[in-house]
Amino acid sequence: EPEVTQTPSHQVTQMGQEVILRCVPISNHLYFYWYRQILGQKVEFLVSFYNNEISEKSEIFDDQFSVERPDGSNFTLKIRSTKLEDSAMYFCASTRDQGWNQPQHFGDGTRLSIL
Amino acid sequence: AQSVTQLDSHVSVSEGTPVLLRCNYSSSYSPSLFWYVQHPNKGLQLLLKYTSAATLVKGINGFEAEFKKSETSFHLTKPSAHMSDAAEYFCVVSDRDDYKLSFGAGTTVTVRA
Repeated sequence: EPEVTQTPSHQVTQMGQEVILRCVPISNHLYFYWYRQILGQKVEFLVSFYNNEISEKSEIFDDQFSVERPDGSNFTLKIRSTKLEDSAMYFCASTRDQGWNQPQHFGDGTRLSIL
Repeated sequence: AQSVTQLDSHVSVSEGTPVLLRCNYSSSYSPSLFWYVQHPNKGLQLLLKYTSAATLVKGINGFEAEFKKSETSFHLTKPSAHMSDAAEYFCVVSDRDDYKLSFGAGTTVTVRA
């Protein structure tokens, strides 16, 4: 069964540094999402992306965050200047169709640790 | 805006006994509801989904859930727990006008031999 793949599985970065988290969505999927889960807290929506544009973003997704689909397969999340509170598990998800009834397919996540 | 409340943060069952994970939701419109499971160091795997068809939904690994609009509930059950069911379970809602997913806080299931 096709999977969403995320790299790296664990990223350790110094505070203030830039970090890029990478995702390869399922190949025929067109809608992409990032979520994060801070340890002990709920999984939270960050951003949705379609047709090379952000469709929706949460309050968390401030100017320090950006997303990009640099080629036909990758979908990246960049954090420009990391803070301690950015430490979390970041999940990428994708769907083929848009709709409230479409289940999102998730990757295994990237654990980001900011020192 | 939609939201989900998972009523139990932790459920412990003996192997072979039933599992019940409780979920209540709040939604402005007709919601879609999902249960996802997360095993340690793994991603979120879809167990089952409700999208306004049959109210009793069967999923993978013997799980099922019943949508009850009058109670705004979507409880997850399994008749007989297996050791491999030990994981964290998330109840998730999506609204017709808002495609992002809203997660509950999760229920950790432990299975005793």
